[in-house]
Amino acid sequence: AQSVTQLDSQVPVFEEAPVELRCNYSSSVSVYLFWYVQYPNQGLQLLLKYLSGSTLVKGINGFEAEFNKSQTSFHLRKPSVHISDTAEYFCAAYGSSNTGKLIFGQGTTLQVKP
Amino acid sequence: GAGVSQSPSNKVTEKGKDVELRCDPISGHTALYWYRQSLGQGLEFLIYFQGNSAPDKSGLPSDRFSAERTGGSVSTLTIQRTQQEDSAVYLCASSSSTGSGTQYFGPGTRLLVL
Repeated sequence: AQSVTQLDSQVPVFEEAPVELRCNYSSSVSVYLFWYVQYPNQGLQLLLKYLSGSTLVKGINGFEAEFNKSQTSFHLRKPSVHISDTAEYFCAAYGSSNTGKLIFGQGTTLQVKP
Repeated sequence: GAGVSQSPSNKVTEKGKDVELRCDPISGHTALYWYRQSLGQGLEFLIYFQGNSAPDKSGLPSDRFSAERTGGSVSTLTIQRTQQEDSAVYLCASSSSTGSGTQYFGPGTRLLVL
């Protein structure tokens, strides 16, 4: 079955600390991978995407992610978080069909504490 | 430029009533997607439009759900005889192409069925 798994439902972290949000995907989804962020009462905003090429992808707001084919992972990292990074983060992949529909993980709530 | 817009932003309805949710995609985007975000199910794909046709309706949960798109632009998601389990945030996204095109999301319509 097509699936994207986010291993942590909540990640609390102190301001200016590094953070990693973990994501694994099943081999039945494509390797077009995305991270989206959702601030309260807002839609989803694209942070970064991996389509091909370099396995280290840099996105907005200082986030980056590394595609690891052997471990079927696409973990999101930031070296120093800010209070404003508090939000829900979704990992997603295209399904195996060619329609471009996204398969989402369950989301990880990042809670940045002062 | 203008992003994806959705209306209404909030909708409260009584069980058994019909509701219509509207999505205005980014101008020129040929691909349009509807997703549903609920507490128990996370983010789920509902339907995909390419132009005015819907080649993938596989995510519609029942025949009470239908959608159309006219003029290759505005889309309407209709839920007939609403049930309490239909309460969720309905998100629309558009893309300039399928495949590797980035999907841009609207702010969503929050539906509450009493």
